[in-house]
Amino acid sequence: ELKVEQNPLFLSMQEGKNYTIYCNYSTTSDRLYWYRQDPGKSLESLFVLLSNGAVKQEGRLMASLDTKARLSTLHITAAVHDLSATYFCAVAYYSGAGSYQLTFGKGTKLSVIP
Amino acid sequence: KAGVTQTPRYLIKTRGQQVTLSCSPISGHRSVSWYQQTPGQGLQFLFEYFSETQRNKGNFPGRFSGRQFSNSRSEMNVSTLELGDSALYLCASSLGPQRALSYNEQFFGPGTRLTVL
Repeated sequence: ELKVEQNPLFLSMQEGKNYTIYCNYSTTSDRLYWYRQDPGKSLESLFVLLSNGAVKQEGRLMASLDTKARLSTLHITAAVHDLSATYFCAVAYYSGAGSYQLTFGKGTKLSVIP
Repeated sequence: KAGVTQTPRYLIKTRGQQVTLSCSPISGHRSVSWYQQTPGQGLQFLFEYFSETQRNKGNFPGRFSGRQFSNSRSEMNVSTLELGDSALYLCASSLGPQRALSYNEQFFGPGTRLTVL
């Protein structure tokens, strides 16, 4: 059974600071997703990481994937209040017959304090 | 291009009742997946449909069922509701079969918030 662990689960940080969210998973996978969820809202896709060493950046967020270590990171640079949300990583598990199933981490609730 | 739509957005039911939730995928998307989100368990996979066939199912009791129509719209049904079924139910659509050398990103709908009293 694929397990996905995110840490920290709660993160309170000051504006302008940098921080990293970690996502570890237990079995081999070659694709990992990062989503953002605002309170009461659905999931918004941030990044899709498909291969070892993949790095993607969008604004103040940068995601990377190390498939050998089974680790992805989401790095936040110079945080601003608008980044306050819950961030999920999801690992795709191939369940056969061309079907991939997503297993999500518990999420990291980020609060950026002015 | 319209996104994934889900109806209704909110539902209140009592224990023992049944409920049907609906999901319309993005135009051209043929795969629909359902997830349950609760504060305690987080996001959990329910099932996936493609071409009117259930291809994958998560670890949920048989009270949870679904189907997909020829136009790719999907419904999920929960019978004999329990208090623990209170959750946000999310539907996600993607293009179709996800072969090993390609991917199909899932796009999520706004969800249906179900409250069981």
